[in-house]
Amino acid sequence: QVQLEQAGAEMKRPGASVRLSCRSSGYIFTAYKIHWVRQAPGRGFEWMGGINPNSGSTGIAPRFKDRVTMTRDTSTSTVYLELRRLTVDDTAIYYCARGGEELLGHWGQGTPVTVS
Amino acid sequence: DIVMTQTPLSLSVTPGQPASISCKSSQSLLYTDGKTYLYWYLQKSGQSPQLLLYEISKRPSGVPDRFSGSGSGTDFTLHISRVEAEDVGFYFCMHSVQVPPTFGQGTKLEIK
Repeated sequence: QVQLEQAGAEMKRPGASVRLSCRSSGYIFTAYKIHWVRQAPGRGFEWMGGINPNSGSTGIAPRFKDRVTMTRDTSTSTVYLELRRLTVDDTAIYYCARGGEELLGHWGQGTPVTVS
Repeated sequence: DIVMTQTPLSLSVTPGQPASISCKSSQSLLYTDGKTYLYWYLQKSGQSPQLLLYEISKRPSGVPDRFSGSGSGTDFTLHISRVEAEDVGFYFCMHSVQVPPTFGQGTKLEIK
């Protein structure tokens, strides 16, 4: 079955960077985009961007364009999200989710990131 | 960005009774390909969200048929024909007609 496995919680200081991972299994990795969505306390869900694992091309939300890099490793079916210049407002649960016609039809378990 | 507005923000429903949640977008979600990119998700307590409906009313495999969707353009509704105890959680809508996709603020469904 389709699974997206994310790494454990992260704690960072303001100004630091964080790199999050999302490993896919149960389907052809290069056939579906992977999206990153975050859920901040009291602020709902926010789409950050997505990556095409086949080409490596990315689409990043304008408000994150200067702070976010998305990459992939096809040998391990893993995508990565790097978020730089962290502030306390970046404290959130970060989810990866699979694209396709059934957009965000499969989600990882989420990685809590605390900036303090 | 397109603003997605859900109502109500919370509702309490007796098991077996119907429920509906509205989602209104600030712009039409009808794309040039003729499809309307409106989705509904449910997040149960302590879990990741799950997809309930895509393109207004299409159900992924495994989603009970008591969940249905309707609407067009800018006005959409999620219908639950007979609420069950397992339906408790936060429901939210999302569009993907343009970048960035944006989400509704969520509706909390409780059981009476």
